[in-house]
Amino acid sequence: DTEVTQTPKHLVMGMTNKKSLKCEQHMGHRAMYWYKQKAKKPPELMFVYSYEKLSINESVPSRFSPECPNSSLLNLHLHALQPEDSALYLCASSRGTGNQPQHFGDGTRLSIL
Amino acid sequence: AQKITQTQPGMFVQEKEAVTLDCTYDTSDPSYGLFWYKQPSSGEMIFLIYQGSYDQQNATEGRYSLNFQKARKSANLVISASQLGDSAMYFCANSPGRGSTLGRLYFGRGTQLTVWP
Repeated sequence: DTEVTQTPKHLVMGMTNKKSLKCEQHMGHRAMYWYKQKAKKPPELMFVYSYEKLSINESVPSRFSPECPNSSLLNLHLHALQPEDSALYLCASSRGTGNQPQHFGDGTRLSIL
Repeated sequence: AQKITQTQPGMFVQEKEAVTLDCTYDTSDPSYGLFWYKQPSSGEMIFLIYQGSYDQQNATEGRYSLNFQKARKSANLVISASQLGDSAMYFCANSPGRGSTLGRLYFGRGTQLTVWP
């Protein structure tokens, strides 16, 4: 069982909907990450939070809005997504942002109709 | 910039045999980390093994070992005694130890391993 929990596991939404992806870890990690992964491709980094502050935004469109309410939680708010945003969204955490293994959740499979 | 190369799109191995998955990297940073992840078809990304650039010995974790050849910039994953459950996509990744790219994991394109009985 993974120690990073993501909900929901699957999400289908229309292009006008607003939804949120949630990620939680209780390992005391201080860095958290969002990745997007298309089929048969490696994950692509979207955002990095370090000590609850956004440290990296990989030029992600504003229809994706991250939020880190506390050191254990990471949200990704979705609004007005496009069909090409359909993908597996992975959350990860690590002790710090140096040479630390990142531990991933099971992901949310997102489909945009 | 970091670059990870996995030249084997697919590999096949018989159960109980050993298999080596290749990975080379390109970095000018003196401090960096190398990682291997396993991703089954269900989607979860499972951390397998880590090697630091200053580590003198090759990392091992159970049936996994990392063959680290720093001068050749290679970090091959060796899986011993393959099991059917090892069938998955395997990603090699590199992270810089410092600087503005801190926190980024640079992934290779992956190798799809199939274990047959």
